[in-house]
Amino acid sequence: ETGVTQTPRHLVMGMTNKKSLKCEQHLGHNAMYWYKQSAKKPLELMFVYNFKEQTENNSVPSRFSPECPNSSHLFLHLHTLQPEDSALYLCASSQDGTRSSTDTQYFGPGTRLTVL
Amino acid sequence: SQQGEEDPQALSIQEGENATMNCSYKTSINNLQWYRQNSGRGLVHLILIRSNEREKHSGRLRVTLDTSKKSSSLLITASRAADTASYFCATDQGGGSEKLVFGKGTKLTVNP
Repeated sequence: ETGVTQTPRHLVMGMTNKKSLKCEQHLGHNAMYWYKQSAKKPLELMFVYNFKEQTENNSVPSRFSPECPNSSHLFLHLHTLQPEDSALYLCASSQDGTRSSTDTQYFGPGTRLTVL
Repeated sequence: SQQGEEDPQALSIQEGENATMNCSYKTSINNLQWYRQNSGRGLVHLILIRSNEREKHSGRLRVTLDTSKKSSSLLITASRAADTASYFCATDQGGGSEKLVFGKGTKLTVNP
């Protein structure tokens, strides 16, 4: 719908598993974002990549490892997660990550992650 | 840190009625944006209002901004069942920060 796709849409993993979330944008944007949305909490910015370079790491634990091989693809590698990491993980893109406050961000549908 | 805070947390109205949601923020901003999220889906951008603007319209949406009160409102006129969603305001944190910070949202239910 918005030109940003995320896979998988649902993921259940154990605390010792390693998994990856994938995001792809078809909008020709230069910035990509990972957000975490937990129940009853504000949307939390995790990482920002602008022109493939990480420009923001919002004090995210190292068990979350982002990767941005090019401006169209963004991954979030997950390792030894905790049950409290269960949430909806949203990917977004915008034209220019240095103007987050003025650029419209286009969101993917999210990956619903459950950590057992 | 949380910048925008929406009020009310939940709102239930009948189809055809108007829905008003409010957002308050703490520090000076350059812009304020409103987003909508259908249940379990990604957010969709609705409207952006700049700090030097007082009111903006888009279809059935009307957004106001009062920088002296550090608040904004989103009015949806003649609501429809399809407007049922959560609505979030998002602001920059001021002080040159370009990060967009979202509030907890208002969950709007429009009953047919």
